[in-house]
Amino acid sequence: DTGVSQDPRHKITKRGQNVTFRCDPISEHNRLYWYRQTLGQGPEFLTYFQNEAQLEKSRLLSDRFSAERPKGSFSTLEIQRTEQGDSAMYLCASSLIDRGLEAFFGQGTRLTVV
Amino acid sequence: GENVEQHPSTLSVQEGDSAVIKCTYSDSASNYFPWYKQELGKGSQLIIDIRSNVGEKKDQRIAVTLNKTAKHFSLHITETQPEDSAVYFCAASYAGGGNKLTFGTGTQLKVEL
Repeated sequence: DTGVSQDPRHKITKRGQNVTFRCDPISEHNRLYWYRQTLGQGPEFLTYFQNEAQLEKSRLLSDRFSAERPKGSFSTLEIQRTEQGDSAMYLCASSLIDRGLEAFFGQGTRLTVV
Repeated sequence: GENVEQHPSTLSVQEGDSAVIKCTYSDSASNYFPWYKQELGKGSQLIIDIRSNVGEKKDQRIAVTLNKTAKHFSLHITETQPEDSAVYFCAASYAGGGNKLTFGTGTQLKVEL
């Protein structure tokens, strides 16, 4: 069990470009969450999947954001037409429903939009 | 929606002293309260959690207390060590609603030698 893996760890992009992040959850974990964290704040919920179904999206997730988990394993988060306000740490977490409530977090992808 | 407030934002203690971090939540439906330790380059690690049917939980030097009536919960670290220095986040969730976490704003704990 290698934990939750996120790629890339850092991403610098120009405003207006599209970016995509990947999250590999712990094997067999059926829930996968995306959070966003800005400096000095706690993580904020964006969306979550149970297996391949996206069950909830936060109002923070504008139309420029889309997330997928096509086979119920890894997930991708895409941001289109990035803005400077998108600069943040994007965190992924996973959990296994039958093993309690603990969510395991990855190390995050730090996005800087210049 | 849920709102979690956390205090203090920074806390400095001498090695060996105790540290207490307090959080309040707004949604009475919340029934799960984890605490995460966040260190640079290491991500966020769950250090202890408590469910609403329990008033206190302890794990070695770490304990959490919950007061459902007052909607507040606290993290207690005893015999602090330099490796306890980190940012600590409290969170609250309703376990029956996907267990999405609402986090506090974090406490930077510094344990001084």
